[in-house]
Amino acid sequence: DIQMTQSPSSLSASVGDRVTITCRASQGISNSLAWFQQKPGKAPKSLIYAASSLQSGVPSKFSGSGSGTDFTLTISSLQPEDFAAYYCQQYNSYPITFGQGTRLEIK
Amino acid sequence: EVQLVESGGGLVQPGGSLRLSCAASGFTFSTYWMNWVRQAPGKGLEWVANIKQDGSDKYYVDSVKGRFTISRDNAKNSLYLQLNSLRAEDTAVYYCTRGHTNVYWGQGTLVTVSS
Repeated sequence: DIQMTQSPSSLSASVGDRVTITCRASQGISNSLAWFQQKPGKAPKSLIYAASSLQSGVPSKFSGSGSGTDFTLTISSLQPEDFAAYYCQQYNSYPITFGQGTRLEIK
Repeated sequence: EVQLVESGGGLVQPGGSLRLSCAASGFTFSTYWMNWVRQAPGKGLEWVANIKQDGSDKYYVDSVKGRFTISRDNAKNSLYLQLNSLRAEDTAVYYCTRGHTNVYWGQGTLVTVSS
């Protein structure tokens, strides 16, 4: 199975900050990577697919990059509604696997 | 507007069974892979199973193989997950999701396995 490791596991930031979350795959997954946002008590929401393609309706403040084993999600100009949990997911091979999540908190 | 609405969750005893359903609308259901993803209370996301557009291919996470069965009815725009031999560790919110790119999620249905 491909292990997905996110760092950091938690992150404190201020409104207006730019933050980056990293996701590393235990083996190469090409660009078969997605990012999701989840707020407490809510279903996840899709942000990015194919490592860098923005889901329809998602603001351009979210961006993704990477290929192979190393990927990043960058959120620019943090707003209160951006404080949430973020998960990466690889869909290159079965079983499909998620990272453990990164909790983004207000400083 | 893409909509996925799960139903069928509830409280079941260990060893029991449930059938989850997901009603899809707002897109051509028969042209998409469909998935089930679950989230145990306070934990992360876990992919459970998926099924090809015509139902000919199905994949499962090891922990549910032989106990869960994914299926679909393209005429009814519906996805299903039959859960048998349920265990306490299957307690989770179960989400129906569309595809692997440009993914959409339902609101989830809670399955609680407890005596």
